[in-house]
Amino acid sequence: DAGITQSPRHKVTETGTPVTLRCHQTENHRYMYWYRQDPGHGLRLIHYSYGVKDTDKGEVSDGYSVSRSKTEDFLLTLESATSSQTSVYFCAISRTSGSTDTQYFGPGTRLTVL
Amino acid sequence: TQLLEQSPQFLSIQEGENLTVYCNSSSVFSSLQWYRQEPGEGPVLLVTVVTGGEVKKLKRLTFQFGDARKDSSLHITAAQPGDTGLYLCAGPNAGNMLTFGGGTRLMVKP
Repeated sequence: DAGITQSPRHKVTETGTPVTLRCHQTENHRYMYWYRQDPGHGLRLIHYSYGVKDTDKGEVSDGYSVSRSKTEDFLLTLESATSSQTSVYFCAISRTSGSTDTQYFGPGTRLTVL
Repeated sequence: TQLLEQSPQFLSIQEGENLTVYCNSSSVFSSLQWYRQEPGEGPVLLVTVVTGGEVKKLKRLTFQFGDARKDSSLHITAAQPGDTGLYLCAGPNAGNMLTFGGGTRLMVKP
């Protein structure tokens, strides 16, 4: 258990509304990630952070923004939600052991955009 | 971007059967990881393989890393209903990022 929580766990919203998902960690890890998971696509990286106020885009970043003002919190914002953003969103942290990095995931947020 | 392809996408078997899941790439990876994900939860790491030709065993699960470090397999012996879930392989990408395969959804029927 890497002490990762996500909120909310479920959300239903309407097209065009802003949505913010929160990821909180308790272990002071430097790297944090946001993924989306859709059937047949595995996990796809949206954005990641390598420190406070240090973020970068992943492979599916269009329509998403992130912020990290504190080490423990990583926020994902959909400025104007679309139906194509209906998905399950996972936050993760990276923990290094020797030469190997392992990612630990939160429980996920199921987002439905109507 | 390095890609990982998993096969099969879906597998439904009876309890007691054996199965193998594959993870293939045209690129060389320094290591590969296998995660298992149960419904309503995030993926959890099962194993990391780092040496070409390496074989690791985790009870009834056997993981192998190809000699050329471009592929990996997961073999489950005498599958049980508790093995049901989504199996994902992942390999390191630039920086501290992972590339995930599309996953194999396994259902083991009692």
